[in-house]
Amino acid sequence: GAVVSQHPSRVICKSGTSVKIECRSLDFQATTMFWYRQFPKKSLMLMATSNEGSKATYEQGVEKDKFLINHASLTLSTLTVTSAHPEDSSFYICSARVGGIGEQFFGPGTRLTVL
Amino acid sequence: AQTVTQSQPEMSVQEAETVTLSCTYDTSENNYYLFWYKQPPSRQMILVIRQEAYKQQNATENRFSVNFQKAAKSFSLKISDSQLGDTAMYFCASYSNYQLIWGAGTKLIIKP
Repeated sequence: GAVVSQHPSRVICKSGTSVKIECRSLDFQATTMFWYRQFPKKSLMLMATSNEGSKATYEQGVEKDKFLINHASLTLSTLTVTSAHPEDSSFYICSARVGGIGEQFFGPGTRLTVL
Repeated sequence: AQTVTQSQPEMSVQEAETVTLSCTYDTSENNYYLFWYKQPPSRQMILVIRQEAYKQQNATENRFSVNFQKAAKSFSLKISDSQLGDTAMYFCASYSNYQLIWGAGTKLIIKP
């Protein structure tokens, strides 16, 4: 099956610093990648959708200047949390999709802790 | 707005029993897709089963099957011969407007 990797799996940073999370589709080319945030015992909350080579589309309430998304190639998308604050601490999950309709393949997630 | 509702926050059954997780959805589209995803303690999201709305036949995948009632907009998941490894959060999702709409999830515990 299709594999999506995420790196790092865990990151701890100081308040005010920036953190980059990478999402890669390992054995397929992803036309669209998604970034989710998941709070404890909650469902996935879509943050943004990105298509290769174009600007990401952010969901309402998500600060695009704080959560920078770059989808530079068909196999790589990055999420940068800028000037991180403790309230940004969460579990971040990326997923990738091939084509306009179809299942999404998920990365293993990244646990971000901001001190 | 499209919505997906899972009314059972938590369920528990004995190993080897059958369990059914409920899901209802609301959509204005004629052709759509429905999914059940599993999130075990590792937190890796895993696709369990998918159903295309235009197909009348219920999807099955080994011990997992769905009861898709299109008119009632119901999409329940049945797990037969439940195993300890089935312990996880289960999310129902509908595909709408090029993105997945998620239910709140059901925590399923399989007891030995």
